[in-house]
Amino acid sequence: GAGVSQSPSNKVTEKGKDVELRCDPISGHTALYWYRQSLGQGLEFLIYFQGNSAPDKSGLPSDRFSAERTGGSVSTLTIQRTQQEDSAVYLCASSLDSADRGYGYTFGSGTRLTVV
Amino acid sequence: AQSVTQLDSQVPVFEEAPVELRCNYSSSVSVYLFWYVQYPNQGLQLLLKYLSGSTLVESINGFEAEFNKSQTSFHLRKPSVHISDTAEYFCAVERNTGRRALTFGSGTRLQVQP
Repeated sequence: GAGVSQSPSNKVTEKGKDVELRCDPISGHTALYWYRQSLGQGLEFLIYFQGNSAPDKSGLPSDRFSAERTGGSVSTLTIQRTQQEDSAVYLCASSLDSADRGYGYTFGSGTRLTVV
Repeated sequence: AQSVTQLDSQVPVFEEAPVELRCNYSSSVSVYLFWYVQYPNQGLQLLLKYLSGSTLVESINGFEAEFNKSQTSFHLRKPSVHISDTAEYFCAVERNTGRRALTFGSGTRLQVQP
């Protein structure tokens, strides 16, 4: 596609429920990233996928968070048993080639998650 | 590990005035430097980047940033701002080897007033 697409754009869920957030990267981009933007806390790295390599999960805040990337394209971020502190904007980004550092990422518009 | 500090959370400025948004970073390895902009209700967009070469880099809309290695800074400047420059600006670094992930500062909200 022309850009990074994320869905849904907004999600309100009850505490304790599971949620799935979807990211559709730019076609041909081999690297995909998830970030979290919390109010007043800037952007926090969550997870990074590069091709068929094992993902870098070092930024996931707890084992309630997981992500997968099917067929090297679409990615899903899953949050189990959501808590109020999970409320944030979840941003997905993709990049052409992780070997080409400095290329810059293309970000999606994000999913605003509100846990009530 | 890397860290990025944006000391100013908000910068109010009048239209056509100059502005500087400060960014300092810390890293044990060489990094690439970026400024991203987030307009209201939009996603992050790459504004400019420093990889190597000339320490002064420019964007297409009049912003510039200068990499200062000795001061570990990458301040963003514009000589004359417009109302349309109102946005959140994020400074970020990416190490040039090892794990690839951007480390962002906490952001500076630029509010341009008429």
